[in-house]
Amino acid sequence: DTGVSQNPRHKITKRGQNVTFRCDPISEHNRLYWYRQTLGQGPEFLTYFQNEAQLEKSRLLSDRFSAERPKGSFSTLEIQRTEQGDSAMYLCASSTAGAGKTQYFGPGTRLLVL
Amino acid sequence: DAKTTQPPSMDCAEGRAANLPCNHSTISGNEYVYWYRQIHSQGPQYIIHGLKNNETNEMASLIITEDRKSSTLILPHATLRDTAVYYCIVDYTDKLIFGTGTRLQVFP
Repeated sequence: DTGVSQNPRHKITKRGQNVTFRCDPISEHNRLYWYRQTLGQGPEFLTYFQNEAQLEKSRLLSDRFSAERPKGSFSTLEIQRTEQGDSAMYLCASSTAGAGKTQYFGPGTRLLVL
Repeated sequence: DAKTTQPPSMDCAEGRAANLPCNHSTISGNEYVYWYRQIHSQGPQYIIHGLKNNETNEMASLIITEDRKSSTLILPHATLRDTAVYYCIVDYTDKLIFGTGTRLQVFP
């Protein structure tokens, strides 16, 4: 399977703990995106990378959130000191650069903060 | 905020065509219209996109009005597996802004 993969698929943690999610994009895609989706809502943009450079961050991405893509391949999203409001599905997508280029999504990581 | 307006829900009989409308009256000349769908608990699945011309692929057809202010996604022969939330998105900057979509229920 050469699609976008995300790990873990599910994560349960206690409030105050740190969590890290991983995304492996489609191999030839130089853009990688993170979105968050809460129940009943559409996905919301968090941040995106072109190669290893983080080009845009949403105001939704508080200081407790950090994303990296150190070698321009896989990416990690870390949430420090988790709060119950962080419970959501975290989605990763990848694409090539340029207008009209399609983003392909992974299966998501579902986070539950107790 | 999303730049599109979609009905919150629609029903369709299995085997019939499902026509999902989308209004995007403020679309800019260089913005594409994308359609994705999301089946419960899965990541969004790309369906189709277009700029000005109508488009067709193995999944669906996209009809864009001449003024580009609205579009229709057509699933020609809906099946039960097409039950999902369908999102219409206009995009230029590569940052997809999702609305709440249309929940399509296909019934036997």
